[in-house]
Amino acid sequence: DTAVSQTPKYLVTQMGNDKSIKCEQNLGHDTMYWYKQDSKKFLKIMFSYNNKELIINETVPNRFSPKSPDKAHLNLHINSLELGDSAVYFCASSQLPGQPQETQYFGPGTRLLVL
Amino acid sequence: RKEVEQDPGPFNVPEGATVAFNCTYSNSASQSFFWYRQDCRKEPKLLMSVYSSGNEDGRFTAQLNRASQYISLLIRDSKLSDSATYLCVVKPSITGNQFYFGTGTSLTVIP
Repeated sequence: DTAVSQTPKYLVTQMGNDKSIKCEQNLGHDTMYWYKQDSKKFLKIMFSYNNKELIINETVPNRFSPKSPDKAHLNLHINSLELGDSAVYFCASSQLPGQPQETQYFGPGTRLLVL
Repeated sequence: RKEVEQDPGPFNVPEGATVAFNCTYSNSASQSFFWYRQDCRKEPKLLMSVYSSGNEDGRFTAQLNRASQYISLLIRDSKLSDSATYLCVVKPSITGNQFYFGTGTSLTVIP
């Protein structure tokens, strides 16, 4: 019973292609996130959605477009992939949003390699 | 200046040793603090929240020093299974959704 799941786990693609990563959580959380972890292991937030509404949109190229069809799903579409997009992308959802002890639960990650 | 800074290590310690990690944060108004653990090629998982008065969970003790703007994690009696990267996480605002992660401190416990 995976709490936060992502597909695919691995994605190898050519520069210039368009790809999507899907995320689903079965925890009943209202808030979901996308993070990027680069080769130096730095984990940086990209987007946050609360109940399907965009809350956080960090300085991310507009080639990245999140979509939340419902509060259990947050997908990430990437257009015109570039070499620098190679990273691990983590989806997360959180319990008790807006509370001091808010806890984030992460998906297993999608390892994207752009050739 | 980064929101959260950690010594990347690596820390290589023998089994049974005590090891401590520190993490500094830049926003003095930060409200919530956490330690996450990330195993190699896995996702981060919450290890423990850090409370103002300090807190302990088994062999792990977390402390917060607001005056100096740092949090610490102490691991006693290190086990081989403690080998991982430990991520310091700061949430500046109680009501906001932003989390800032440090780059992590790598720990290897040696037999």
